[in-house]
Amino acid sequence: NAGVTQTPKFQVLKTGQSMTLQCAQDMNHEYMSWYRQDPGMGLRLIHYSVGAGITDQGEVPNGYNVSRSTTEDFPLRLLSAAPSQTSVYFCASRRQRDNSPLHFGNGTRLTVT
Amino acid sequence: AQTVTQSQPEMSVQEAETVTLSCTYDTSESDYYLFWYKQPPSRQMILVIRQEAYKQQNATENRFSVNFQKAAKSFSLKISDSQLGDAAMYFCAYRSADGSGGSNYKLTFGKGTLLTVNP
Repeated sequence: NAGVTQTPKFQVLKTGQSMTLQCAQDMNHEYMSWYRQDPGMGLRLIHYSVGAGITDQGEVPNGYNVSRSTTEDFPLRLLSAAPSQTSVYFCASRRQRDNSPLHFGNGTRLTVT
Repeated sequence: AQTVTQSQPEMSVQEAETVTLSCTYDTSESDYYLFWYKQPPSRQMILVIRQEAYKQQNATENRFSVNFQKAAKSFSLKISDSQLGDAAMYFCAYRSADGSGGSNYKLTFGKGTLLTVNP
């Protein structure tokens, strides 16, 4: 059982470049989300989705785009990378029922120079 | 907005001893969920334990247990018989149970406590 799979594990970008962080889950979870983790800040929600075709903004959405065309996939796009987006990114999913915990991918460490 | 505070940036414990990590939260809601996640150096986020606010009984999972004090808005994690593999960053997290307005879609994290286990 793969769970939540994120690719790539590491990425270095130059300022202004674009890229897509991939996330896929095989647990048929309705809810998927992206968090960023910065030193001393904990994890903060970027975007989330409650099902195919439905997305919404989290706490820190600026500079990021998402789409949810299938239940399994939830990619995160950086359109024009900035040094402030240097961070570790986590994709997470869960069932919609209330007490279901988040299942996390292994994270992507992104550096923007 | 809800906030989660972990007042201990770092803690250390001797192997086989017990340690308690503190977490307090601020909310005006009566129904919610609380979680402790562990993040070892591998960076993976691992669920340790969860608590539903409507349950008075404290959750336990093997060597891990919580002291949930709803009135005090406190949710501490106790690790008994500490092992070297328990060394990690521990995050406390809060999620609303209120489905209106999408507030139950966000997990609010504390800033974490780095636990060191000494042999």
